[in-house]
Amino acid sequence: ILNVEQSPQSLHVQEGDSTNFTCSFPSSNFYALHWYRWETAKSPEALFVMTLNGDEKKKGRISATLNTKEGYSYLYIKGSQPEDSATYLCAFPRSGGGADGLTFGKGTHLIIQP
Amino acid sequence: DTAVSQTPKYLVTQMGNDKSIKCEQNLGHDTMYWYKQDSKKFLKIMFSYNNKELIINETVPNRFSPKSPDKAHLNLHINSLELGDSAVYFCASSQGQGRRNIQYFGAGTRLSVL
Repeated sequence: ILNVEQSPQSLHVQEGDSTNFTCSFPSSNFYALHWYRWETAKSPEALFVMTLNGDEKKKGRISATLNTKEGYSYLYIKGSQPEDSATYLCAFPRSGGGADGLTFGKGTHLIIQP
Repeated sequence: DTAVSQTPKYLVTQMGNDKSIKCEQNLGHDTMYWYKQDSKKFLKIMFSYNNKELIINETVPNRFSPKSPDKAHLNLHINSLELGDSAVYFCASSQGQGRRNIQYFGAGTRLSVL
């Protein structure tokens, strides 16, 4: 059984501030870590797939880092904007292979306050 | 064009009824999934199919029967609906079964059993 933990569960950030949150996952048998962004009433959308220890990926103002040895990934948002308000999910592939689906964390619900 | 589309978006029904949720993807993917968002808000894998063949059935009651008439469709039929089946159900697809493959999600079907 895999446990994917995300913290904090929710976060209020002032517009313009930068923020970050954490995903913890089992460090043994690592294959990949997925980050998704999920806006209310929309589909979860993939942000990054992290695969290598020390990986850093960037998409606009959002970036993510990966530490597979200690089992965590950080997601950073620089200069938060109201449109960044969403739930950010991380997910870990189940042990049987990709078609076994992903184990998701509960998400960090981010609210950007104007 | 919506890449992964689910219908209906909302489904309200009585206990004991049989209902279906349809999912179609126009991405040319060969692997499709059903996830359930449980009461604790976790997304949990229910089924996955690759090239119309069942890959996993994750301890789901046999009242739930997925059907994949072709690679682009994975429908979910639920018999004898129970109150506890009320949840949001998400369809997803990916190209291939790799653990690093991005999954593309539908917008979800909110099922309410009264």
